Amino acid sequence: GAVVSQHPSRVICKSGTSVKIECRSLDFQATTMFWYRQFPKKSLMLMATSNEGSKATYEQGVEKDKFLINHASLTLSTLTVTSAHPEDSSFYICSAINLAGEQYFGPGTRLTVT
Amino acid sequence: DAKTTQPPSMDCAEGRAANLPCNHSTISGNEYVYWYRQIHSQGPQYIIHGLKNNETNEMASLIITEDRKSSTLILPHATLRDTAVYYCIVRVGGGNAGNMLTFGGGTRLMVKP
Repeated sequence: GAVVSQHPSRVICKSGTSVKIECRSLDFQATTMFWYRQFPKKSLMLMATSNEGSKATYEQGVEKDKFLINHASLTLSTLTVTSAHPEDSSFYICSAINLAGEQYFGPGTRLTVT
Repeated sequence: DAKTTQPPSMDCAEGRAANLPCNHSTISGNEYVYWYRQIHSQGPQYIIHGLKNNETNEMASLIITEDRKSSTLILPHATLRDTAVYYCIVRVGGGNAGNMLTFGGGTRLMVKP
């Protein structure tokens, strides 16, 4: 199946700093990527839809100025958590959709803010 | 998208078939049933999907009732590596729909030796 990667897989940062997470579709082009977050023992919650070449669409309650999304190419979307706080600690997962509409998920990035 | 209802947890003996049920009584005619699973600290993995006919692939079988209001995912010979949370999702379009997936609580399957 298609491969989606995320980098880094784990990151620890201090409160107030910003962290960038990359999501790449390795063997297909993805015009649409999604960003999810997942708290311990909870289900995935959609944060935003990332479209190549246009602004991301954010779900209700997700601050666009805090979670900056850039989908600069057909194989790369980035999520930047700005001015991170401990409550932003979570498991962040991206997914990418290929031309056939099939959705593949990345392995996730565990963010810990101290 | 229609909502789904799944039992929060299930146990299965290693080597036995695991049958995971899902209710989707409000499913629309153009909505497909998708199954994903998530092993601890990993991203979700696609398993199978179907519209109305039963489907089988190398991972599992999907049985959809005739009225499409419920379905069952079958792992024919469960192994310890099948321990995961299994999500049943209904979504418009089986092909180039591009819709996001809405995850419910899923079923936490524990395969025991």
